[in-house]
Amino acid sequence: SQQGEEDPQALSIQEGENATMNCSYKTSINNLQWYRQNSGRGLVHLILIRSNEREKHSGRLRVTLDTSKKSSSLLITASRAADTASYFCATDGSWGKLQFGAGTQVVVTP
Amino acid sequence: EPEVTQTPSHQVTQMGQEVILRCVPISNHLYFYWYRQILGQKVEFLVSFYNNEISEKSEIFDDQFSVERPDGSNFTLKIRSTKLEDSAMYFCASIFLAADTQYFGPGTRLTVL
Repeated sequence: SQQGEEDPQALSIQEGENATMNCSYKTSINNLQWYRQNSGRGLVHLILIRSNEREKHSGRLRVTLDTSKKSSSLLITASRAADTASYFCATDGSWGKLQFGAGTQVVVTP
Repeated sequence: EPEVTQTPSHQVTQMGQEVILRCVPISNHLYFYWYRQILGQKVEFLVSFYNNEISEKSEIFDDQFSVERPDGSNFTLKIRSTKLEDSAMYFCASIFLAADTQYFGPGTRLTVL
């Protein structure tokens, strides 16, 4: 099935460091989206990258997409304690439905 | 900035009872979705809704579930007879076009006792 899977499952870093997480998927996509979820809260959209794009930036976020390897990465630069959250990639499917991976839990310590 | 809203934020119900979860999608959006997230697990697609009918549903979305867009603004998810395993966070989402950014509501935490 068309599904994003994140790696690593958990990441612990110190403030100021960069955090990188990866997402792999199985079939062709139109776009891939990254979301953040603070514990027990809603999903906040971070960035959408389309299949014809290779890299996209938004503030301290950088997303890459390699359709030949069916993979994407999310880089958070100069991390802050407020970046502590779970990060999910989601691939689009029929009728725009999203299929989510299991997420990467990021902990940023001051 | 427009946002998707959901009510209630937390619903506690007894097993076997009916619940209705409500969502107000972004006003000009055309596609609507429900997802659920069991505690500690991934977000799972339940159903998509377009042009006043279900366009796709997952195997989770059995006969106990139904969706409705009763007027121009609300989008509801009804669970007819809740089970313990229905306890989860339920998210509503909407988009304007199928390949657009999908915006999620804050979720309704459903607890079935």
